[in-house]
Amino acid sequence: AQSVTQPDIHITVSEGASLELRCNYSYGATPYLFWYVQSPGQGLQLLLKYFSGDTLVQGIKGFEAEFKRSQSSFNLRKPSVHWSDAAEYFCAVGGRGSTLGRLYFGRGTQLTVWP
Amino acid sequence: IAGITQAPTSQILAAGRRMTLRCTQDMRHNAMYWYRQDLGLGLRLIHYSNTAGTTGKGEVPDGYSVSRANTDDFPLTLASAVPSQTSVYFCASRAHGTTEAFFGQGTRLTVV
Repeated sequence: AQSVTQPDIHITVSEGASLELRCNYSYGATPYLFWYVQSPGQGLQLLLKYFSGDTLVQGIKGFEAEFKRSQSSFNLRKPSVHWSDAAEYFCAVGGRGSTLGRLYFGRGTQLTVWP
Repeated sequence: IAGITQAPTSQILAAGRRMTLRCTQDMRHNAMYWYRQDLGLGLRLIHYSNTAGTTGKGEVPDGYSVSRANTDDFPLTLASAVPSQTSVYFCASRAHGTTEAFFGQGTRLTVV
């Protein structure tokens, strides 16, 4: 069965500190992997995605993520967090072929940034 | 501005009532989706449509129905609302051959 685990419900970091949000997935085939960000009262915005090839992918707002097949992980990182990064972050996995576009989401990680 | 429009923004609904959440996109995307977001559970897929005239069931379809009469519109109907359907509902769309889904701003529904 498909599933996504985000073990950290809430993370607090100081502005300027580095950030890593964890994501592990379970999927029967080679999935597509995504990270989305949601600001309060807003919809979801795509940060980055992985399909194939280079396992380190760059996204918007200075975020990157690394796909590790052996660990079934797709952790999100940012070297220096800004106060505007405070939001909820969702990892998602999706299928290919006939299931393309149908996403399974993790429960989310709420990021708080201290000034 | 191109994008996805959901209506209403929020709604309080008496249990047992019928409700249709509207979703319209002007990007001519083939595929559309309905998700519900619940605290601690993330987003879960309710129904999807790969193209106009076709629909399919997602993870949590019970109590919901959809239709896709044309490319732009994908309404979600609760035939007889129950309190467990209290949630934030997001509509999303995706262009054919791409993987990125674009999300609407959501509809907050409270069933009392």
